[in-house]
Amino acid sequence: NAGVMQNPRHLVRRRGQEARLRCSPMKGHSHVYWYRQLPEEGLKFMVYLQKENIIDESGMPKERFSAEFPKEGPSILRIQQVVRGDSAAYFCASSPGRAQETQYFGPGTRLLVL
Amino acid sequence: GENVEQHPSTLSVQEGDSAVIKCTYSDSASNYFPWYKQELGKGPQLIIDIRSNVGEKKDQRIAVTLNKTAKHFSLHITETQPEDSAVYFCAASIGYGGSQGNLIFGKGTKLSVKP
Repeated sequence: NAGVMQNPRHLVRRRGQEARLRCSPMKGHSHVYWYRQLPEEGLKFMVYLQKENIIDESGMPKERFSAEFPKEGPSILRIQQVVRGDSAAYFCASSPGRAQETQYFGPGTRLLVL
Repeated sequence: GENVEQHPSTLSVQEGDSAVIKCTYSDSASNYFPWYKQELGKGPQLIIDIRSNVGEKKDQRIAVTLNKTAKHFSLHITETQPEDSAVYFCAASIGYGGSQGNLIFGKGTKLSVKP
């Protein structure tokens, strides 16, 4: 049973470009969470999604950031017009469903904005 | 909202000694407390978790204790080994009482085990 998959593992973008990060949850998991980690910091919650629904986006910046988890395919975190402050590691976690809080993390995508 | 404080930020122990990391939380509604281990360049790996209806849980060399009254929980690693060296994060969650489910993390403890 494969774990949470994220790609790409490393992504370099110039200021103003778009970054698209993908996350495939563990098999049988229908809940996805995105977190951001700055160097030497803990993880900060961004958004929580179920298939075709955003449940909680209270941690996501109001502008330039969006997330989706379509019926088919991976969850996507999209950052438009990236700035240097967006440079961070972005982690995706998945869990089985309601009342199952255990979250399993992927290896992360390290975004560097030049 | 919930706030999780974690101490110490760095911890160095000799191989074979015990290591203890402590966390406090602010929201009494939190009911789920996982601990994650993160090695350099990798994602967080769940090592143990505890729910608010339990005071202590043990898995081989790792144990977690929870004091709901004082709102703090601790990770205990016994007989430490060099491969235990990593950054450890505690977290708290209100779980599925409403639409919550996200984890609030502490800032991490960098554990170094010296051979």
